[in-house]
Amino acid sequence: AQKVTQAQTEISVVEKEDVTLDCVYETRDTTYYLFWYKQPPSGELVFLIRRNSFDEQNEISGRYSWNFQKSTSSFNFTITASQVVDSAVYFCALSENTGNQFYFGTGTSLTVIP
Amino acid sequence: EAGVTQSPTHLIKTRGQQATLRCSPISGHTSVYWYQQALGLGLQFLLWYDEGEERNRGNFPPRFSGRQFPNYSSELNVNALELEDSALYLCASSLDRGQSEKLFFGSGTQLSVL
Repeated sequence: AQKVTQAQTEISVVEKEDVTLDCVYETRDTTYYLFWYKQPPSGELVFLIRRNSFDEQNEISGRYSWNFQKSTSSFNFTITASQVVDSAVYFCALSENTGNQFYFGTGTSLTVIP
Repeated sequence: EAGVTQSPTHLIKTRGQQATLRCSPISGHTSVYWYQQALGLGLQFLLWYDEGEERNRGNFPPRFSGRQFPNYSSELNVNALELEDSALYLCASSLDRGQSEKLFFGSGTQLSVL
């Protein structure tokens, strides 16, 4: 079974629209971490955010915001007023308490059309 | 400060051959991770090295192996190449071991098996 599910394979939006990328995870650990990474066309994944399982406070960073809900095991990512530079593949990841194994979802390819 | 560097950028091999991929972590980082990114499958965890030791291994056959050198650089070897080994191989490093560590990724080696 997938530990991290990103059901949206591809999303296209027009510039300035808001877009939400969904992430659902599965774990039995009480202590875990969730991450979002961005992979632009260059291929190098870039860290965006880290959230631990005890901190359900939502976070906003500029046009980016994250909604963590343990009750639904979701960690969704919203881009407000999208820009062409936001076009990339976005990965959600889970890190459990043992083994230092980071589980990545299959990614959501976001295309922002000018 | 130099990021994670991987070489070569592209590698073309034929079925049955061996491939060697190299990774230099960020200076001071002791943990190195290898991931396989095949089309549509997201990032699949291959190996984790820390302080010169293999600490964890993903669900891949033994013909995928590697090592970490005293300077913390790492090598991934794939023996008896198969067509389905064609993928982008990403290396990542982290400052320390631990489930909360954020990963810094290289741009990857694109392996094509013909």
